Amino acid sequence: QVQLVQSGAEVKKPGASVKVSCKASGYTFTDYLIHWVRLAPGQGLEWMGWINPHNGDTNYAQRFQGRVTMTRDTSISTAYMELSRLRSDDTAVYYCARALWGDACDIWGQGTMVTVSS
Amino acid sequence: DIQMTQSPSSLSASVGDRVTITCRASQGISNYLAWFQQKPGKAPKSLIYAASNLQSGVPSKFSGSGSGTDFTLTISSLQPEDFATYYCQQYNTYPLTFGGGTKVEIK
Repeated sequence: QVQLVQSGAEVKKPGASVKVSCKASGYTFTDYLIHWVRLAPGQGLEWMGWINPHNGDTNYAQRFQGRVTMTRDTSISTAYMELSRLRSDDTAVYYCARALWGDACDIWGQGTMVTVSS
Repeated sequence: DIQMTQSPSSLSASVGDRVTITCRASQGISNYLAWFQQKPGKAPKSLIYAASNLQSGVPSKFSGSGSGTDFTLTISSLQPEDFATYYCQQYNTYPLTFGGGTKVEIK
């Protein structure tokens, strides 16, 4: 079946970087965008950006520009989201989700908890 | 950025109740509106896309309507498994933005 499986929880210190993976299965990886969305404690969902696995194009939310990098490895149908210069308010659950171009997300990963603490 | 305003932010309802959640966009988004359900500790589940189309496998007790700036999500007969937080999202314009969520609790 179609699924997105994410990497496990991470604990990082302020200023460090974290890289979360999202492995796709059950569909053609390059046919769908991969979006990244996060949910911080007590907050609502926040869109971070997407990557097009077909050609590697990316579109990042302005507030994450310069700190986020989305990449992919088509040989293993996996997308990655790396967030640098972590702060305590980056503590959140990070989700990947797939969507056709111009369409809403339909399948979501299970989420990856990232805790930023000294 | 387009602001998405959901109301109410929370509600209490009983099993069997009809529940309606509204979502207003700060500018017109045509029908590029999705609804998601999220339970504590779980990933969001996609319910509706293009304002009124059910995602595959979503029961017909969920329905969506609206266009332009005003949208609604209706649950026709609330069941125990429907108690969750619901979010709207516009995907007409980048950055994609979500409403603040509506928590549906048991009365």
